[in-house]
Amino acid sequence: AQSVTQLGSHVSVSEGALVLLRCNYSSSVPPYLFWYVQYPNQGLQLLLKYTTGATLVKGINGFEAEFKKSETSFHLTKPSAHMSDAAEYFCAVSDEGNTGKLIFGQGTTLQVKP
Amino acid sequence: DAGVIQSPRHEVTEMGQEVTLRCKPISGHNSLFWYRQTMMRGLELLIYFNNNVPIDDSGMPEDRFSAKMPNASFSTLKIQPSEPRDSAVYFCASISGGWTEAFFGQGTRLTVV
Repeated sequence: AQSVTQLGSHVSVSEGALVLLRCNYSSSVPPYLFWYVQYPNQGLQLLLKYTTGATLVKGINGFEAEFKKSETSFHLTKPSAHMSDAAEYFCAVSDEGNTGKLIFGQGTTLQVKP
Repeated sequence: DAGVIQSPRHEVTEMGQEVTLRCKPISGHNSLFWYRQTMMRGLELLIYFNNNVPIDDSGMPEDRFSAKMPNASFSTLKIQPSEPRDSAVYFCASISGGWTEAFFGQGTRLTVV
């Protein structure tokens, strides 16, 4: 069965600093991987996804993630944090049956300090 | 398109009462998912439909929970009777098939007192 582990439930960075949110997955088939962002009292919005092809994926708001099969990782990065990036971030993996079901990590809350 | 629309946004009810959550998926999307978000368990899938047919309800916690999708543009999640431990944010999401993006609604925050 698939699973997702997000290392660090809370990450705090200063404005302008590098953002690194870690995600490791487990899947017995080639995974489709996703990062979603959730702002307070809002639904989830897709930041980026990896399906096939290029392993470095660029998303919205300057975020990107790199799929590393050997490390079973899909870490999310942004070179320079902005106050508006403060939110909760979820990494997710597709289910093995290609049904569209997502298995989510526990989430990482990103705090951005001025 | 207005996106996935959920109603109500907030619901406060007393234990034992029936609660019905509603979802309108994006037009043309053929799969619909109900997720529940809690502090303890995170985001978990309750049930999903494909072409209005329930495919997997293994995530539905108890018989008190039921979901229907009478047509392509409407789904309900019902809890009867409700209990305080059902308090959570319930999300509906839809996809157009394949590995396209899942679009989420704003969620319904349910509080059972």
